Amino acid sequence: QVKLVESGGGVVQPGRSLRLSCAASGFAFRTFAMHWVRQAPGKGLEWVAVIWYDGSNENYGDSVKGRFTISRDNSKNTLYLQMNSLRAEDTAVYYCATEYMVGATRSDAFHMWGQGTMVTVSS
Amino acid sequence: QSVLTQSPSMSGAPGQRVTISCTGSSSNIGSGHGVHWYQQLPGTAPKLLIYGNNNRPSGVPDRISGSKSGTSASLAITGLQAEDEADYYCQSYDSSLSGWVFGGGTKLTVL
Repeated sequence: QVKLVESGGGVVQPGRSLRLSCAASGFAFRTFAMHWVRQAPGKGLEWVAVIWYDGSNENYGDSVKGRFTISRDNSKNTLYLQMNSLRAEDTAVYYCATEYMVGATRSDAFHMWGQGTMVTVSS
Repeated sequence: QSVLTQSPSMSGAPGQRVTISCTGSSSNIGSGHGVHWYQQLPGTAPKLLIYGNNNRPSGVPDRISGSKSGTSASLAITGLQAEDEADYYCQSYDSSLSGWVFGGGTKLTVL
């Protein structure tokens, strides 16, 4: 069955780095654009980053631009998020998610989600 | 502040119909980008309920529906059930921001 499993979260000091992973299985990972979405404790959802199915393009939310880098390894069915210069406001559950495909067309909706991994930025 | 605006909370009795609204602008909902809706139960990942304004993915019951008009959208739930108690989020794409945007979420309480 379709599965997305995030890992790599934990407690990190402000200014340090962390790399999250999202292992995909049960679907054709290499054909889907992939996103990271985060949710601060008790808060709403915030889109973080997207990478095209072939890694040819990526885009970021303004709050993480220049600090976070999204990447993927289609040979390993894995998505990554390199987070540098972490701040207290980056504390959140980080989810990876696929887009909902309508035939061969991207819908801009988030379809399959992982269970999330918690990142806490604190001294 | 979220780019899309939702009421923070709503409530309804079992069996009733509730409508959750989402207001955007000309750079997102009003520019023709689709509106999508998610349900999030406590401690779980969001679940896609509606995509492209009014389409249900497989497995979502037909008592859940979506609509869009101008720069606003709505999610309707009829025959309210206890298990509908959750947080609901709208989402779209914003051309000015070149990114995906969410509403702040609406907490639905079933009385």
